[in-house]
Amino acid sequence: ELKVEQNPLFLSMQEGKNYTIYCNYSTTSDRLYWYRQDPGKSLESLFVLLSNGAVKQEGRLMASLDTKARLSTLHITAAVHDLSATYFCAVTSMGGGSNYKLTFGKGTLLTVNP
Amino acid sequence: EPEVTQTPSHQVTQMGQEVILRCVPISNHLYFYWYRQILGQKVEFLVSFYNNEISEKSEIFDDQFSVERPDGSNFTLKIRSTKLEDSAMYFCASIDPRENYGYTFGSGTRLTVV
Repeated sequence: ELKVEQNPLFLSMQEGKNYTIYCNYSTTSDRLYWYRQDPGKSLESLFVLLSNGAVKQEGRLMASLDTKARLSTLHITAAVHDLSATYFCAVTSMGGGSNYKLTFGKGTLLTVNP
Repeated sequence: EPEVTQTPSHQVTQMGQEVILRCVPISNHLYFYWYRQILGQKVEFLVSFYNNEISEKSEIFDDQFSVERPDGSNFTLKIRSTKLEDSAMYFCASIDPRENYGYTFGSGTRLTVV
């Protein structure tokens, strides 16, 4: 059974600081996703990482994937208040037989303080 | 950009009543899903639908749940006799695995069972 662990689950940051959210998964996967969720809202896709060593950046967020370590990171640079949200990583199991269903981590609630 | 549309956005129902949640996925996608998120918790897979039939379902998706795609566009989730613990946000999603971008999630239906 595929398991996805995120840490930390709660993160309180000051504006302007850097931090990293970690996502570990238990079995081989072919895709890793990062999502942002604002309270009461849907899941906003941030990144899809497909291969070992993949790195993607959008604004102050950068995601990377190490498939050998089964680890993805979401790095936040010079945080601003607008980044406050819950961030989820999610993983699909290998192969089409998995139906590409997503297994989610528990999420990281990020609060950026002035 | 194509969207997944869900209706209603919020439904309140009495325990024991039947509810139908509706979704219009992206038309050229191949896989369709329902996920749910109990307030403050992680997103959980319910069911996947491919080639006009259920391809996988989770333990949550018991006999009280059913899905249909009756006309090739709408994709519905029916809960026959709702329980208090069915209160959650329900997300519809679709994907074309041949494309490199991620899942497209709908805006969600908040179901409140009283």
